[in-house]
Amino acid sequence: QKEVEQDPGPLSVPEGAIVSLNCTYSNSAFQYFMWYRQYSRKGPELLMYTYSSGNKEDGRFTAQVDKSSKYISLFIRDSQPSDSATYLCASSTSYGKLTFGQGTILTVHP
Amino acid sequence: EPEVTQTPSHQVTQMGQEVILRCVPISNHLYFYWYRQILGQKVEFLVSFYNNEISEKSEIFDDQFSVERPDGSNFTLKIRSTKLEDSAMYFCASKERGGYEQFFGPGTRLTVL
Repeated sequence: QKEVEQDPGPLSVPEGAIVSLNCTYSNSAFQYFMWYRQYSRKGPELLMYTYSSGNKEDGRFTAQVDKSSKYISLFIRDSQPSDSATYLCASSTSYGKLTFGQGTILTVHP
Repeated sequence: EPEVTQTPSHQVTQMGQEVILRCVPISNHLYFYWYRQILGQKVEFLVSFYNNEISEKSEIFDDQFSVERPDGSNFTLKIRSTKLEDSAMYFCASKERGGYEQFFGPGTRLTVL
């Protein structure tokens, strides 16, 4: 079983829509959960970071982790064309090696 | 703003040749990583490096791969005898002591012919 699974999409939404991106994971030892954003031909850039279960909000972005169901979510409110990118979920047992999901390609059209 | 840099941006090589990919991590960072992303696939962990030694490596990181911090600023990944399946985007990342965020470089696209 793959450690982190993510629907690759692609996902296309109109500007202003609420976007929901999701991942599941299988390794119970994962404690740290991140969302990275990757633009074409660029390196991943950290968007959100969560330790253990719970919610974290940063502007239009909300990250949720439910360890009981091993489910990771990212919500984007009032989506903008500049949010168009690939979104990668990642998990880690410590502050070291990151295990990434497949990435979801998001397009927000005006 | 400090950033991780990588050179070259694109490297083309013949199968069986040695390649060295170079990275300059953020200056006060102490933890260094290499990841790779084959086209259309996940970003995969290769190796982590701390205190001048490998702290963790993946199954991908076999005897053909090595890492080195030859001076106080560079961090290199060497592939001794490249294979077609080594064609990928290679990302370097670094992290400061006590931090959680790994900062990624823009990547080196390696094409093995």
